[in-house]
Amino acid sequence: DTAVSQTPKYLVTQMGNDKSIKCEQNLGHDTMYWYKQDSKKFLKIMFSYNNKELIINETVPNRFSPKSPDKAHLNLHINSLELGDSAVYFCASSRIAGGNTGELFFGEGSRLTVL
Amino acid sequence: GESVGLHLPTLSVQEGDNSIINCAYSNSASDYFIWYKQESGKGPQFIIDIRSNMDKRQGQRVTVLLNKTVKHLSLQIAATQPGDSAVYFCAELFSGGYNKLIFGAGTRLAVHP
Repeated sequence: DTAVSQTPKYLVTQMGNDKSIKCEQNLGHDTMYWYKQDSKKFLKIMFSYNNKELIINETVPNRFSPKSPDKAHLNLHINSLELGDSAVYFCASSRIAGGNTGELFFGEGSRLTVL
Repeated sequence: GESVGLHLPTLSVQEGDNSIINCAYSNSASDYFIWYKQESGKGPQFIIDIRSNMDKRQGQRVTVLLNKTVKHLSLQIAATQPGDSAVYFCAELFSGGYNKLIFGAGTRLAVHP
């Protein structure tokens, strides 16, 4: 029974397209995140939601729009995809906002390839 | 195994040896640090954490050391096993408003039989 699940696992698309990645957690956590991991494995926080409210919004192009319909779901929509958007996107959740226990639970990642 | 941020350094060890993975953090005000392990094709997984009022914490086969003077963190893995092969990240908690977890660059650990 997967704690944090993301779909799709792989996504290949053309430049200029719009795509979405979905995330669900069944841990009962209040806080969810999106992280981007580049080809050098560098993990960078993008967004965080606490109880459906956006609490962290890093310097991310406004082509990226997160949406949290409820506290168990956090989706990421990307408009007008660019080559540089190619990366692995990880969803994560934590019990407390900001991961104050340090324990973020990550999904398995969604690998986005923009051609 | 120093993380320098521009490339992914690799630490190669023999099975059964002890491994030491190092990390330099940036914010002297950070008071909470965590090590994560990321296996190939998976998301990062929490290993162990340490607060700034401690300089050492031990888990099962892992020990984290914190040197606040030089802003240095290390992860020691005893009797390294093939299953320990992964990329290891240190992370620090940036406080202020809502806390956010900032990851270091990562070190790949390769365990050879």
